[in-house]
Amino acid sequence: DVKVTQSSRYLVKRTGEKVFLECVQDMDHENMFWYRQDPGLGLRLIYFSYDVKMKEKGDIPEGYSVSREKKERFSLILESASTNQTSMYLCASSKGAAGKSEAFFGQGTRLTVV
Amino acid sequence: SQKIEQNSEALNIQEGKTATLTCNYTNYSPAYLQWYRQDPGRGPVFLLLIRENEKEKRKERLKVTFDTTLKQSLFHITASQPADSATYLCALEGYQKVTFGIGTKLQVIP
Repeated sequence: DVKVTQSSRYLVKRTGEKVFLECVQDMDHENMFWYRQDPGLGLRLIYFSYDVKMKEKGDIPEGYSVSREKKERFSLILESASTNQTSMYLCASSKGAAGKSEAFFGQGTRLTVV
Repeated sequence: SQKIEQNSEALNIQEGKTATLTCNYTNYSPAYLQWYRQDPGRGPVFLLLIRENEKEKRKERLKVTFDTTLKQSLFHITASQPADSATYLCALEGYQKVTFGIGTKLQVIP
């Protein structure tokens, strides 16, 4: 069974902390994505990666960075967490180019910054 | 700017009826359009992909249409069941990334 696994389901962090969200996929997919989802705003793309060590900014990259040292792992980093980064974070992967093939999502990480 | 519109209000229908959800878009010319299902507290799950040269696609009780002239996709669930209750998202391909609509919440009433 194909799987995208996010390291935590729920996370509570303090303002100013550095936060790491980890995502691992076991499907040998080239493409990986990080989204955040907020009520009334839907899914918004933060960063994506088409290859190891490659990253591209999405629609809302400010306050975030990413790392892709291995094909199966894509990490989202909040350099200095702020309360407006409280959200549901979703990682996804796909074999083909974005939108041209099925995306597989992780279960999500609900992050609360206090 | 590019925009995707889904009816953000919940759609309530009686069990056994056909549910029809709408996805309209502007300032896009997507070659591909997808529909996903999302249950509360979980990640979206892929349902169907349709290409611009396909007018209609079916999978079991699901049917998707894609009208590039109207810039609209319709998503139909026939013989709806309470288990179909969820939020349904459309997603458009463009500029090396996919953009999601905010989704429509469907409630199937027994």
